[in-house]
Amino acid sequence: QKEVEQDPGPLSVPEGAIVSLNCTYSNSAFQYFMWYRQYSRKGPELLMYTYSSGNKEDGRFTAQVDKSSKYISLFIRDSQPSDSATYLCASNTNAGKSTFGDGTTLTVKP
Amino acid sequence: EAGVAQSPRYKIIEKRQSVAFWCNPISGHATLYWYQQILGQGPKLLIQFQNNGVVDDSQLPKDRFSAERLKGVDSTLKIQPAKLEDSAVYLCASSLEGLGNYGYTFGSGTRLTVV
Repeated sequence: QKEVEQDPGPLSVPEGAIVSLNCTYSNSAFQYFMWYRQYSRKGPELLMYTYSSGNKEDGRFTAQVDKSSKYISLFIRDSQPSDSATYLCASNTNAGKSTFGDGTTLTVKP
Repeated sequence: EAGVAQSPRYKIIEKRQSVAFWCNPISGHATLYWYQQILGQGPKLLIQFQNNGVVDDSQLPKDRFSAERLKGVDSTLKIQPAKLEDSAVYLCASSLEGLGNYGYTFGSGTRLTVV
């Protein structure tokens, strides 16, 4: 079993929709959680990181962590065609190295 | 600030040949990572450096892969000999010392095709 499991997708939504991207993790030592966006033929780009359970908001993006159920989510409000990409969740212990999910590919249609 | 630079962008080699990838991290970033990303999968850590010392190379296939970071700045990842299953994107990332838990800055990667 992988330590970080991500809903595989792909996901296709109309412009303006609310998008929910989800991951679960199994390693209780994970304490830090990140979301990256990866455009085709580019490296991952950090969107958000969070440490504690709860919500963290940054513009149209909200990261949610529930450590009791080992569940991580990213919500995108008012989705735009430019949000079309692969989204990767990642989790760290406190050693600075990340374990990634396999990504969810999102397409936002105009 | 300038990003993480990697070269080459693409490389095609035959199996059993050798190949090397180069990475220049963001200036001042003490921690450097090499990740392997196979098509359709998430990045997998190969090696983590802190300055010019290795912190974690537990997932590096040491019979064929090697990496070094001379003078704590640039890094080189080498594969010798390459196998078909090494076809992947090799990503370099860096972070400020002690801040890797808050995310990295990745380069655009080197796409390796082994034929």
